[in-house]
Amino acid sequence: NSKVIQTPRYLVKGQGQKAKMRCIPEKGHPVVFWYQQNKNNEFKFLINFQNQEVLQQIDMTEKRFSAECPSNSPCSLEIQSSEAGDSALYLCASSLFGGTSQNTLYFGAGTRLSVL
Amino acid sequence: GDSVTQTEGPVTLSEGTSLTVNCSYETKQYPTLFWYVQYPGEGPQLLFKVPKANEKGSSRGFEATYNKEATSFHLQKASVQESDSAVYYCALSDPFYVGDNSKLIWGLGTSLVVNP
Repeated sequence: NSKVIQTPRYLVKGQGQKAKMRCIPEKGHPVVFWYQQNKNNEFKFLINFQNQEVLQQIDMTEKRFSAECPSNSPCSLEIQSSEAGDSALYLCASSLFGGTSQNTLYFGAGTRLSVL
Repeated sequence: GDSVTQTEGPVTLSEGTSLTVNCSYETKQYPTLFWYVQYPGEGPQLLFKVPKANEKGSSRGFEATYNKEATSFHLQKASVQESDSAVYYCALSDPFYVGDNSKLIWGLGTSLVVNP
């Protein structure tokens, strides 16, 4: 069973509202990823961190999302102003290594966001 | 760019029958290939990964061979069980990103329904 903990499991917001979700990565894993999974099961990479530093993020994340992984606190992903198209399952994953293509990602159960 | 194409689901089988989920990939690099499985209400979890061409990965009765010539990584199981009902994802990790991070290129998933 995954040791990546995501909260809340479900989040319902109105358009224009902020939506914040949290992730506790597996102990000892310095690399954290956020993915968006839509209803067609497509995965969209959003951002990843190594320790507290952003490694890479997509344009959408830079403009409308706020994410951080502070030391000794859960990582978080916040949508500043929710849009209907943001309705999706947000998956957090952690891994032991950031610099290898053989990385295994360990996923949490996700936060399902519904924007009404 | 890199891509992964897999059998379109849903695939519906009876317990005890054999399974093949096709996965084909495109990349100019030498990727690591993965199969992930996502059970209802959970995040994806690694089934197995194969970093080298012509090698086989296996877990829980599932297996796949990394065929570099055919650019394929088909998932097989000789006898499925009801508990195998899930969505199966083929993915590749592009070593171009080695050094800073690793990102997975995901297929769209194949939903498997096994009836008792």
